[in-house]
Amino acid sequence: QVQLVQSGDEVKKPGASVKVSCKASGYTFTGYWIHWVRQAPGQGLEWMGWINPNSGDTNYVQNFQGRVTMTSDTSISTAYMELTSLRSDDTAVYYCARGVGGDYWGQGTLVTVSS
Amino acid sequence: DIQMTQSPSSLSASVGDRVTITCRASQGISNYLAWYQQKPGKAPKLLIYAASTLQSGVPSRFSGSGSGTDFTLTISSLQPEDVATYYCQRSNIAPYTFGQGTKLEIK
Repeated sequence: QVQLVQSGDEVKKPGASVKVSCKASGYTFTGYWIHWVRQAPGQGLEWMGWINPNSGDTNYVQNFQGRVTMTSDTSISTAYMELTSLRSDDTAVYYCARGVGGDYWGQGTLVTVSS
Repeated sequence: DIQMTQSPSSLSASVGDRVTITCRASQGISNYLAWYQQKPGKAPKLLIYAASTLQSGVPSRFSGSGSGTDFTLTISSLQPEDVATYYCQRSNIAPYTFGQGTKLEIK
């Protein structure tokens, strides 16, 4: 069965970086884009961008330009999202999802930014 | 960028009621719209894609309609397990913006 399994929760200090992984199984990893979505505590869903694991092409929402990098390693069917220069308002649950109409989602990774 | 606006932001209804949530796009998006259900502490779950196509395994009491700028999600007979927050998302081109969400509670 299709699964997206994300890395564990993280606590970071302001100014640090975080890299969240999303390991896919149960389907052909290169056949679907991986999207990243975040949700701040008590807030709605915010789309961050996508990566095409087949080509490595990416598209990031303007809000995160320069701070976010999405990559993938097809040999281990894993996508990554790295966010740099972390601020307190980056505290959120970060999700990966398969495809733009996310039919499968990871379980979420809580990133807490606090001094 | 195209904005997605949902209404209402919250709603309370009784078990068995027919419930409708609307989503409006600031520009036409054809039928490129998805609806998600999110329960507390859980990842969103895809309910409907292409505005009106029910995702496999989703109960038939959920339905979607609309095209262009105006869309609706309807629950034909509200059940206790439908308590959740519902989001729409445009799915034509990036940025794939979400609506702000509609929190549904049981009266």
